[in-house]
Amino acid sequence: EAEVAQSPRYKITEKSQAVAFWCDPISGHATLYWYRQILGQGPELLVQFQDESVVDDSQLPKDRFSAERLKGVDSTLKIQPAELGDSAMYLCASSSPFWAATGELFFGEGSRLTVL
Amino acid sequence: KQEVTQIPAALSVPEGENLVLNCSFTDSAIYNLQWFRQDPGKGLTSLLLIQSSQREQTSGRLNASLDKSSGRSTLYIAASQPGDSATYLCAVLSGGSYIPTFGRGTSLIVHP
Repeated sequence: EAEVAQSPRYKITEKSQAVAFWCDPISGHATLYWYRQILGQGPELLVQFQDESVVDDSQLPKDRFSAERLKGVDSTLKIQPAELGDSAMYLCASSSPFWAATGELFFGEGSRLTVL
Repeated sequence: KQEVTQIPAALSVPEGENLVLNCSFTDSAIYNLQWFRQDPGKGLTSLLLIQSSQREQTSGRLNASLDKSSGRSTLYIAASQPGDSATYLCAVLSGGSYIPTFGRGTSLIVHP
């Protein structure tokens, strides 16, 4: 069964260090999302891609966060420098474009970040 | 801006009970609504997807309904089991922004 792949599953780092997360969406899914989920809360959108283009990154803290999807397939989310408040689960999701299919979201297992 | 609210925030029930989880949204111009399950420390697993033109979807013991005009969806779980213990989240894909917006979830514990 096709699934969204994410790595690493767990990352522990010290504040001020750089961190990177990788996501490989389901094959053929043009839309890719990065969400951040703080314990006990719902996921909050950081960035949405359509192919290689950013559709929405209004909630991405651009002074320290960056995201790219160079070839419109896999994607990387980077944090530099990491701060204590960045400790959270980082979730990647993909979907077929809503105008071409149901728009159903599929999530990966997530990357749990702990900043010390 | 779409806002999604889930009530109750937490629920603890004995095994065998029928449950109703609620999801409300402020902007009725939606494309679809999706219910997810999340186990501790894991990603989200899709349970049911309801398109804006649909009124309900069913999968096994789960039934989700959608009332766009009132901005509400309910997830009905029949004959709950301990294995149903998890957090249940709803996400609304808004018709204007096409950005999925999530509620904070309902944490469910089903005890034997």
